[in-house]
Amino acid sequence: GAGVSQSPRYKVAKRGQDVALRCDPISGHVSLFWYQQALGQGPEFLTYFQNEAQLDKSGLPSDRFFAERPEGSVSTLKIQRTQQEDSAVYLCASSPVGDQSSYEQYFGPGTRLTVT
Amino acid sequence: GQNIDQPTEMTATEGAIVQINCTYQTSGFNGLFWYQQHAGEAPTFLSYNVLDGLEEKGRFSSFLSRSKGYSYLLLKELQMKDSASYLCAVTDSNYQLIWGAGTKLIIKP
Repeated sequence: GAGVSQSPRYKVAKRGQDVALRCDPISGHVSLFWYQQALGQGPEFLTYFQNEAQLDKSGLPSDRFFAERPEGSVSTLKIQRTQQEDSAVYLCASSPVGDQSSYEQYFGPGTRLTVT
Repeated sequence: GQNIDQPTEMTATEGAIVQINCTYQTSGFNGLFWYQQHAGEAPTFLSYNVLDGLEEKGRFSSFLSRSKGYSYLLLKELQMKDSASYLCAVTDSNYQLIWGAGTKLIIKP
């Protein structure tokens, strides 16, 4: 079956623009995660959904970042009034179980956001 | 604070063995993962350890010592395709994954 897909793969935004990044998890996967990965660094947790419920958003860096998963499948990460420090790869991952601790996560290819 | 330490870069020869170390200080522990990430690609799962000891999976093995806050990933019979970054990640007491910066492994012929 298909893996996790993300779109767009690349996004260039001018400072101050709003962007929306989409994630299509593996069908039937309960858990969905968003991460931010800077060049040469590991992923940094942003937020976690179990079905449509956002159970943890402690990693969102500011109130400019917003994520939703209204029907428990596709998720969108929205960044308002983008800043240069938002430039990074945004990774989405899904997992078939509701426990975020002990099961492997399946990652999408990421969206590389460049803010100019 | 929470911290995961890994070497930034390692170099090894094709056909040889390499050990990538990871030490962690986290608020609680609920398991440790190793992921492989090729440049420009998504991380892919390699191994999961929650109990002390060695887990072997083909050419790759992962070891955990919870009392020492230490893990290593052992790669045998290295192949050129093993050139990648290897990420260590720990699940803390809040069941959140804390990631290391990754170790870039360079394989030379």
